[in-house]
Amino acid sequence: GAGVSQTPSNKVTEKGKYVELRCDPISGHTALYWYRQSLGQGPEFLIYFQGTGAADDSGLPNDRFFAVRPEGSVSTLKIQRTERGDSAVYLCASSRVAANTGELFFGEGSRLTVL
Amino acid sequence: AQTVTQSQPEMSVQEAETVTLSCTYDTSENNYYLFWYKQPPSRQMILVIRQEAYKQQNATENRFSVNFQKAAKSFSLKISDSQLGDTAMYFCAFMKARYGAGNNRKLIWGLGTSLAVNP
Repeated sequence: GAGVSQTPSNKVTEKGKYVELRCDPISGHTALYWYRQSLGQGPEFLIYFQGTGAADDSGLPNDRFFAVRPEGSVSTLKIQRTERGDSAVYLCASSRVAANTGELFFGEGSRLTVL
Repeated sequence: AQTVTQSQPEMSVQEAETVTLSCTYDTSENNYYLFWYKQPPSRQMILVIRQEAYKQQNATENRFSVNFQKAAKSFSLKISDSQLGDTAMYFCAFMKARYGAGNNRKLIWGLGTSLAVNP
């Protein structure tokens, strides 16, 4: 696609529920990132994929968070047993690693609200 | 560890005037990238301008320019002829520029500066 697409745009769920957030990167971008942005904060790194594999998942806060990218394109961020503290905007970004410009292209984010 | 500090939580400027947003950072790396991203209410982070640390010349993109002071670890953004559409959150960000294994291109972000352009 022309840009990074994230769905859903907004998700409201109850504490303890399971949620999935989807990211469709720019075609041809091999690198994909998930960031979390809490209210009034800058984004916080969660995980980075190079192709299908998670090259760095050091930002995932705990084992309730998991992400996959099975075919090296679309990625899904999965959150189990959601807690109120998980409420945030989850941003996805992609880049062409070969270009090595350091520039990331972001989607509009998925706003998660846990009640 | 790298840190990015934006000391101005909020700024305002009159339309057509010039405003400067501050950013300082801390790193032991010699090669890195610095960025200013804009985040309007739509939430999408949009790259405003990018600077490579090994380049001494300050980056410029139309009305946007930076003052990059490597020794002082300072990276300020100047917006000239401010427009109403410039109203947004502005984030300064840092990225290591190591190549090959070990460089995951993780961005380290400041807390942002909320800029209001007034008519």
